[in-house]
Amino acid sequence: DGGITQSPKYLFRKEGQNVTLSCEQNLNHDAMYWYRQDPGQGLRLIYYSQIVNDFQKGDIAEGYSVSREKKESFPLTVTSAQKNPTAFYLCASSISLLPRGAITYNEQFFGPGTRLTVL
Amino acid sequence: LAKTTQPISMDSYEGQEVNITCSHNNIATNDYITWYQQFPSQGPRFIIQGYKTKVTNEVASLFIPADRKSSTLSLPRVSLSDTAVYYCLVGHYFNKFYFGSGTKLNVKP
Repeated sequence: DGGITQSPKYLFRKEGQNVTLSCEQNLNHDAMYWYRQDPGQGLRLIYYSQIVNDFQKGDIAEGYSVSREKKESFPLTVTSAQKNPTAFYLCASSISLLPRGAITYNEQFFGPGTRLTVL
Repeated sequence: LAKTTQPISMDSYEGQEVNITCSHNNIATNDYITWYQQFPSQGPRFIIQGYKTKVTNEVASLFIPADRKSSTLSLPRVSLSDTAVYYCLVGHYFNKFYFGSGTKLNVKP
């Protein structure tokens, strides 16, 4: 059963602590993404990765870090430098960065999300 | 980066057809138009995508006029389970898709 998973579903962190959110996919997708969603708002791109061992900053990368050592894994670390980390974090993957492949549409699949709360 | 404008919210009743219009005046030639659905505390889910004219799948239709400056998502005979936020995205690469606040659809019995 192919899909994208995130863990944990809920995460609590004390101020000043780093925390790592997990994202795993078994869809054999090259591209992976991290988004942040605040209440009542849309999604904002934090980081994305086109391929293993490569990643790029998105619109709001400050205070976050990522790694892409394996094709199926794209963990996100929320560092203490992130001023307002409480949010809903979503991971996504797609075959490539392009929505349209040579023949078919390439869909962006999202995980169930991790809700991070800073205490 | 082609941004979009959608109504903040819409109300409908079960069994009705719902049309959500999205404005994207600065759409680029190679941009696609994509719609996603999101339920509370879940990740968005792809609904439909198009480039021009009309696209239909098992859950929705997408109407795109010739100038491509707007698009309309049509949901036939909505049910309570269609209550969600709907996002209209315009872009050529996934990392350039702009998720605005979307349209909150409330389906009433």
